[in-house]
Amino acid sequence: RKEVEQDPGPFNVPEGATVAFNCTYSNSASQSFFWYRQDCRKEPKLLMSVYSSGNEDGRFTAQLNRASQYISLLIRDSKLSDSATYLCVPRGGGLELVFGQGTRLTINP
Amino acid sequence: EAGVAQSPRYKIIEKRQSVAFWCNPISGHATLYWYQQILGQGPKLLIQFQNNGVVDDSQLPKDRFSAERLKGVDSTLKIQPAKLEDSAVYLCASSRFLRTDSPLHFGNGTRLTVT
Repeated sequence: RKEVEQDPGPFNVPEGATVAFNCTYSNSASQSFFWYRQDCRKEPKLLMSVYSSGNEDGRFTAQLNRASQYISLLIRDSKLSDSATYLCVPRGGGLELVFGQGTRLTINP
Repeated sequence: EAGVAQSPRYKIIEKRQSVAFWCNPISGHATLYWYQQILGQGPKLLIQFQNNGVVDDSQLPKDRFSAERLKGVDSTLKIQPAKLEDSAVYLCASSRFLRTDSPLHFGNGTRLTVT
């Protein structure tokens, strides 16, 4: 099993829709979780940090399920500018950061 | 706050040549990372420094890759000799602390093409 697994997509959703995708991780010692967004040919940029059960920032909500070892990202009222690849990054007790391959999201007008 | 600086932005070399990349982290950030990102994949950690010491270089192909951070600030990553499969974006990142709650901040990367 891969350390971090994400559905690569692509997810194609209409503008204004709600979309959610999951990330599963194998290291049960992971303590912190980060979602990054990466635009085409750009560097990853931090979107959200999750240290407890979840986090909410505007239209974005992350929920952590430690028992099942997955973290989800929900985007409400999606905008064209949300089109990007979303990378899940658990951070383990050994401080290692392992990136998932990313989920590609396209918001259509 | 100035971000992570990397240079060059692009580099094209022939296989078996050498190449070096430079990174200057965010001021005050003790931890520095080099990642390799191949098209369509997530970033893969090559090496991690805490100040001028190596924390993790388990995935660095040491027969051809080397990295240093001599004064605990900026860092260089070198490939010698390059192979076709080294074509990728090389991302430098830094974090303030070597702690689980300390996120990474990335530079805009160096896109390497090996022909």
